[in-house]
Amino acid sequence: GESVGLHLPTLSVQEGDNSIINCAYSNSASDYFIWYKQESGKGPQFIIDIRSNMDKRQGQRVTVLLNKTVKHLSLQIAATQPGDSAVYFCAEKGYSTLTFGKGTMLLVSP
Amino acid sequence: GAGVSQSPSNKVTEKGKDVELRCDPISGHTALYWYRQSLGQGLEFLIYFQGNSAPDKSGLPSDRFSAERTGGSVSTLTIQRTQQEDSAVYLCASSSYRGGRTDTQYFGPGTRLTVL
Repeated sequence: GESVGLHLPTLSVQEGDNSIINCAYSNSASDYFIWYKQESGKGPQFIIDIRSNMDKRQGQRVTVLLNKTVKHLSLQIAATQPGDSAVYFCAEKGYSTLTFGKGTMLLVSP
Repeated sequence: GAGVSQSPSNKVTEKGKDVELRCDPISGHTALYWYRQSLGQGLEFLIYFQGNSAPDKSGLPSDRFSAERTGGSVSTLTIQRTQQEDSAVYLCASSSYRGGRTDTQYFGPGTRLTVL
């Protein structure tokens, strides 16, 4: 079946570094993708989204890149802070529901 | 403004007992979703409600799982005859519905269910 998955289960960075979290998707018909951040004991929090008619979208300290040719999605976090430590999920949105990848844990050391 | 709320935050039950989990969506959101998250895993879709339409139950793992949404707002997820493998965090999300499509989903804090 179709799936959304992540390349790296854990990413460790130093405070101030830039972080890149990757995601591969297999449904070429997908037209909307979302990144969520989940801190321990909390529900997922929306970070940023992108539609398939775009290849880049920027938010505050975050950028999402979409490469439809290789069906790859990435989340870039600039100047990573300890508060960015969390599990990050990419999700593919169908007509109404989301299909989530397993997540990448980002660990930020001071 | 108020976000999605869920209760209880934690529930410990014995195998074989029934449990009810509650979700209060964001006011005005007509779409409501339930997901399950096992330890260290991603989110597994369970059920989706949109307005007065028949719910999408395609993600429910067995007939022990059911959900209702009363008055187009509050939803209750019921698990009958709980099993140890039902232990997980149950997350609720809601979204608005525009132009025939659902908008961004906003999640509640979840209910952590432990079946002994």
